[in-house]
Amino acid sequence: DAKTTQPPSMDCAEGRAANLPCNHSTISGNEYVYWYRQIHSQGPQYIIHGLKNNETNEMASLIITEDRKSSTLILPHATLRDTAVYYCIATPSGNTPLVFGKGTRLSVIA
Amino acid sequence: DVKVTQSSRYLVKRTGEKVFLECVQDMDHENMFWYRQDPGLGLRLIYFSYDVKMKEKGDIPEGYSVSREKKERFSLILESASTNQTSMYLCASSLLGPWREVPHEQFFGPGTRLTVL
Repeated sequence: DAKTTQPPSMDCAEGRAANLPCNHSTISGNEYVYWYRQIHSQGPQYIIHGLKNNETNEMASLIITEDRKSSTLILPHATLRDTAVYYCIATPSGNTPLVFGKGTRLSVIA
Repeated sequence: DVKVTQSSRYLVKRTGEKVFLECVQDMDHENMFWYRQDPGLGLRLIYFSYDVKMKEKGDIPEGYSVSREKKERFSLILESASTNQTSMYLCASSLLGPWREVPHEQFFGPGTRLTVL
């Protein structure tokens, strides 16, 4: 799995968009970008994944650069309940064991 | 909704005890995983299983064993618990086996916080 790099922490005002960056400059052509989050004392929760195209679901949007070396997870209207550690993972398929880095600790502030 | 349940949220055991952590998923998933999570070390894979009676070692299998007698249940066993096994244990499952390069997500249970005294 390609190594990913994320900032250790970010703050976001409640109601504003939270943009979480991830660098994966060594990603292979067959690797997807997955995002998970972990709210304190809970198990990780899947958010979204993508290969080349931008993706959107009810939770978030994923923007992948054309060269696929980086991506951004966007939470369009952050709430206090979005406070969590967000993990970006590059992997050929979500069926293989996931390698979690340290992630980004997002704090949503009222 | 897929549910992954773990037998206990909190568990306290004594050094040397045999400990069983149970995980059950209700969506006929092929793949099941056991991770442990420690501050500063993140999540680390202990074992995974892609079919009944099949198991594969992860990055830190020492001191652990697993059992998968039924598709829906994956048990983690600490043969003789030690204080360095105090941790948060997380079970996960995914629909298809690791050889299937079709993207699917993993579903995690709530975790078991194990303390070994």
